[in-house]
Amino acid sequence: EAQVTQNPRYLITVTGKKLTVTCSQNMNHEYMSWYRQDPGLGLRQIYYSMNVEATDKGDVPEGYKVSRKEKRNFPLILESPSPNQTSLYFCASSKGPGNSPLHFGNGTRLTVT
Amino acid sequence: QKEVEQDPGPLSVPEGAIVSLNCTYSNSAFQYFMWYRQYSRKGPELLMYTYSSGNKEDGRFTAQVDKSSKYISLFIRDSQPSDSATYLCAIWGGMNRDDKIIFGKGTRLHILP
Repeated sequence: EAQVTQNPRYLITVTGKKLTVTCSQNMNHEYMSWYRQDPGLGLRQIYYSMNVEATDKGDVPEGYKVSRKEKRNFPLILESPSPNQTSLYFCASSKGPGNSPLHFGNGTRLTVT
Repeated sequence: QKEVEQDPGPLSVPEGAIVSLNCTYSNSAFQYFMWYRQYSRKGPELLMYTYSSGNKEDGRFTAQVDKSSKYISLFIRDSQPSDSATYLCAIWGGMNRDDKIIFGKGTRLHILP
């Protein structure tokens, strides 16, 4: 089954404790992206990747890192999480950034206390 | 003016009614228009994808684009309780490969049995 898999689904952590949210897709997609979704603000892009070793900032990259060493994986790293990073995070992939459908994972709900 | 504007709702309609969901956008150069549906605790999934102006129909769903008014609509006929979800419009410029998809904030829809 074609899918984007994120882990974990739920995560509670404390300020400053480094964490990684994993994302993997099995569709051989070149394009991958991370979004955060907050009430009243909608989906905002954090980082995206056009292909392996090619990543770029989205609208809200501060406090986040990503890497794309393999085509299928695109982890999101929070080096020193803060409470304002409490949010619902989605990973997505597609053949291209807009001319084909984005496939989303089921989200990671992160709480930083 | 924001690039994409969407009424957040919530919108409550009785089962069987015709639902109309709408977005306006600011840049007349946008060419690709999408509607995503997001159920609670799930990632968004693509519902409709249209290029340029006109109508596109898929079962009970019709997507309509009016580029002269910079207005896009999603109509749901014979609405069902299973249509209760958040609907996000999305737009892609399509002029450059690294143009990003711009999402509306979503409209919450409740279909009342």
